[in-house]
Amino acid sequence: DGGITQSPKYLFRKEGQNVTLSCEQNLNHDAMYWYRQDPGQGLRLIYYSQIVNDFQKGDIAEGYSVSREKKESFPLTVTSAQKNPTAFYLCASDPDKLNQPQHFGDGTRLSIL
Amino acid sequence: QKEVEQNSGPLSVPEGAIASLNCTYSDRGSQSFFWYRQYSGKSPELIMFIYSNGDKEDGRFTAQLNKASQYVSLLIRDSQPSDSATYLCAVNTGFQKLVFGTGTRLLVSP
Repeated sequence: DGGITQSPKYLFRKEGQNVTLSCEQNLNHDAMYWYRQDPGQGLRLIYYSQIVNDFQKGDIAEGYSVSREKKESFPLTVTSAQKNPTAFYLCASDPDKLNQPQHFGDGTRLSIL
Repeated sequence: QKEVEQNSGPLSVPEGAIASLNCTYSDRGSQSFFWYRQYSGKSPELIMFIYSNGDKEDGRFTAQLNKASQYVSLLIRDSQPSDSATYLCAVNTGFQKLVFGTGTRLLVSP
């Protein structure tokens, strides 16, 4: 079955710790995205990538980093510089063609210990 | 600032009624429009997308787009309690980046 797999489902971060959220897709999609969702708010774009070894900052990139070494994988690191990391993190992908929809993984819920 | 506006709700409808969800957007250059359904604690699920003016129907769902007035709507016919969720409107402004509204919470009562 083709899809987007995010892991872990739940993650806890200690003060000063970096944590990495995994996102893997087997849809052969070129573009991948990371969003953050806070309660009562819409999705906000953190980073996106349209091709291997290239990525762009979204609207709220500060305190986050990404890599795109393989087409299938787009991990997100939440660094200690992100002072308010508690949120629901969603990874999405699409074929990077006009008018094609993004599809989402199941999400990772990150909390501070 | 490119914005997408939705009424947060909740929009309450009885089972079997038509639910009408609306979304307005500010960027006239927007090219395609998406409706996602999100159950509490879950990730968004694509319901429909539309990019031409007019109506697009898929089962009980109809998306309507009016680019001149800059609004897009989603009609759900014969609403069911299982339709109770938050509905997110998303707009593609032309660079394959989606701008999301904050969502409308729909409650369908039996």
